[in-house]
Amino acid sequence: DAGVTQSPTHLIKTRGQHVTLRCSPISGHKSVSWYQQVLGQGPQFIFQYYEKEERGRGNFPDRFSARQFPNYSSELNVNALLLGDSALYLCASSWGLAGFFSYEQYFGPGTRLTVT
Amino acid sequence: SQQGEEDPQALSIQEGENATMNCSYKTSINNLQWYRQNSGRGLVHLILIRSNEREKHSGRLRVTLDTSKKSSSLLITASRAADTASYFCAAGAGQGAQRLVFGQGTRLTINP
Repeated sequence: DAGVTQSPTHLIKTRGQHVTLRCSPISGHKSVSWYQQVLGQGPQFIFQYYEKEERGRGNFPDRFSARQFPNYSSELNVNALLLGDSALYLCASSWGLAGFFSYEQYFGPGTRLTVT
Repeated sequence: SQQGEEDPQALSIQEGENATMNCSYKTSINNLQWYRQNSGRGLVHLILIRSNEREKHSGRLRVTLDTSKKSSSLLITASRAADTASYFCAAGAGQGAQRLVFGQGTRLTINP
């Protein structure tokens, strides 16, 4: 089975522009999460979606938004890009939500965003 | 902000030796997951240990979890050059939504 896929692989944008990143989860997985990883640090949680609904949001400004489609794929949108948004954006998929059961989160290869 | 901490930040050992990395976290968790990352690429899932488990093995990997101390350790036995990577622990918390809280990672270098 294919793993988590993300597109594009690399992206260069100018300050003030808008960007859309895409993610396809592992087949059968219904939850998609987005993380931002700045160079030299661990990933930071941005959003989690499950069954097309937002189920969790990290400490990121409203310039960041996301959505999940009926086929469980997801988009992350970032408006009014800042230099500080330069990072590796990672998508992770899991079968379900946390609760009594714990589910592994599997990550895609990431999209490297450079803002100039 | 980062809530997890890995120790050490960097570790360099000879091929064949064992490598131990430690992780501490601050919140109550459902599980703790360990990942490997090569050269800023995607994260590879290594192992998940649930909050009611104390030890788990997978091949050359051994993970322990002490919820009373809010800490975990990852042991890689008989290290290989291909194990050279950054290793992250991620604390999984929340009900109905699971956000992973990552540490800064341990940079492991295996010298041939």
